[in-house]
Amino acid sequence: QVQLQESGPGLVKPSQTLSLTCTVSGDSITSGSYYWSWIRQPAGKGLEWIGRIYTSGSIRYNPSLKSRVTLSVDTSKNQISLELSSVTAADTAVYYCARDGGGYGDYYFDYWGQGTLVTVSS
Amino acid sequence: SYDLTQPLSVSVALGQTARITCGGNNIGSKNVHWYQQNPGQAPVLVIYRDTNRPSGIPERFSGSNSGNTATLTISRAQAGDEADYYCQVWDSNTHKFGGGTKLTVL
Repeated sequence: QVQLQESGPGLVKPSQTLSLTCTVSGDSITSGSYYWSWIRQPAGKGLEWIGRIYTSGSIRYNPSLKSRVTLSVDTSKNQISLELSSVTAADTAVYYCARDGGGYGDYYFDYWGQGTLVTVSS
Repeated sequence: SYDLTQPLSVSVALGQTARITCGGNNIGSKNVHWYQQNPGQAPVLVIYRDTNRPSGIPERFSGSNSGNTATLTISRAQAGDEADYYCQVWDSNTHKFGGGTKLTVL
């Protein structure tokens, strides 16, 4: 059973950098079949895709966040990481990591982490 | 950018059929995926590639996609189906989500 678990600070100050890690179990992130994505959801609002990474280094970002987002992988720990710089209150949200697969130019999220709430506040 | 439009809310009587739509320009040419999200929980994939159900999803959940509208259909609606539902497509190397629909079972 594939499981994903997000971790990181629950409170970040404005203008600082939000950093989260997603630990994957039950699947190797180097298996070659999947991308790994980050998605966020402000309270009471919809889902927003942030970006995704493949272990080869291939990365795609949501254009609206691209200038502030950095994704990386640590294959030795089977983890993916998210950094979002220059945060504001608008970045307050539940952040999810998800397995991103499908192939043939079509992708969807078949496993999700439970999510972690990050609040941006001084 | 490619926009997906969902109704904010849909209501269905217990035991009846609910239909949740997802509108997009020529969405029938794309594969549409659907997620169910209960309060305080992560989304769960309920339909992928328009019509396919992942293991463990009841047969009461089905999907269709044609023209400018994709539809998630929930037959014999149960109280436990009350949740938010999101459609999603892969377009121009990015994931796009609809705004979400709150399903109320009366």
